[in-house]
Amino acid sequence: AQSVTQPDIHITVSEGASLELRCNYSYGATPYLFWYVQSPGQGLQLLLKYFSGDTLVQGIKGFEAEFKRSQSSFNLRKPSVHWSDAAEYFCAVGPYNQGGKLIFGQGTELSVKP
Amino acid sequence: DTAVSQTPKYLVTQMGNDKSIKCEQNLGHDTMYWYKQDSKKFLKIMFSYNNKELIINETVPNRFSPKSPDKAHLNLHINSLELGDSAVYFCASSPPRLGLAGGGTYNEQFFGPGTRLTVL
Repeated sequence: AQSVTQPDIHITVSEGASLELRCNYSYGATPYLFWYVQSPGQGLQLLLKYFSGDTLVQGIKGFEAEFKRSQSSFNLRKPSVHWSDAAEYFCAVGPYNQGGKLIFGQGTELSVKP
Repeated sequence: DTAVSQTPKYLVTQMGNDKSIKCEQNLGHDTMYWYKQDSKKFLKIMFSYNNKELIINETVPNRFSPKSPDKAHLNLHINSLELGDSAVYFCASSPPRLGLAGGGTYNEQFFGPGTRLTVL
């Protein structure tokens, strides 16, 4: 069965420090992969997506993610975190031909220290 | 000019009641979804409609009944509410999936702000 694992439930980084959020997926073929961010009390906003091609994808707000097929991973990175990045981050996989549904990981809560 | 809107934002009700949550998108998308986010923030697909036709029903109790009067609206009606229905419900929409050689591309989903349902 398809699944997404985000090993880190909660991460705290200092403002200005670099960030990496981990995501591993289980899927039989090349998946469509997404990262979403949820600010407190808000809906989900798409940060970036991977469909095919270049395995390093750029997103909004200075985020990037790298697809590594050999590791079944799609980790999210940001070189310098801002206090406004504090939020919940969700990795998701979109199985092909399953009606467009997204399967989400359990989320990683990011806290930013001043 | 909100893209995906939901009403109400908060809903507090007693066990056994029937309630509805409305969702509207003005993006011209063909496909709409309902997701449930539990107290641990885990998000799970419930339903999906494409052009008013049900295409995903993820083993949701039949107390939950989605209704799509047109492709811009997908409402969620819940009968006989139970304590375990307390959650945040998100509506989402996505544009038509376009075909590419070797497979279809996958459009991202645009989410509404959520409806926090509390059943007492």
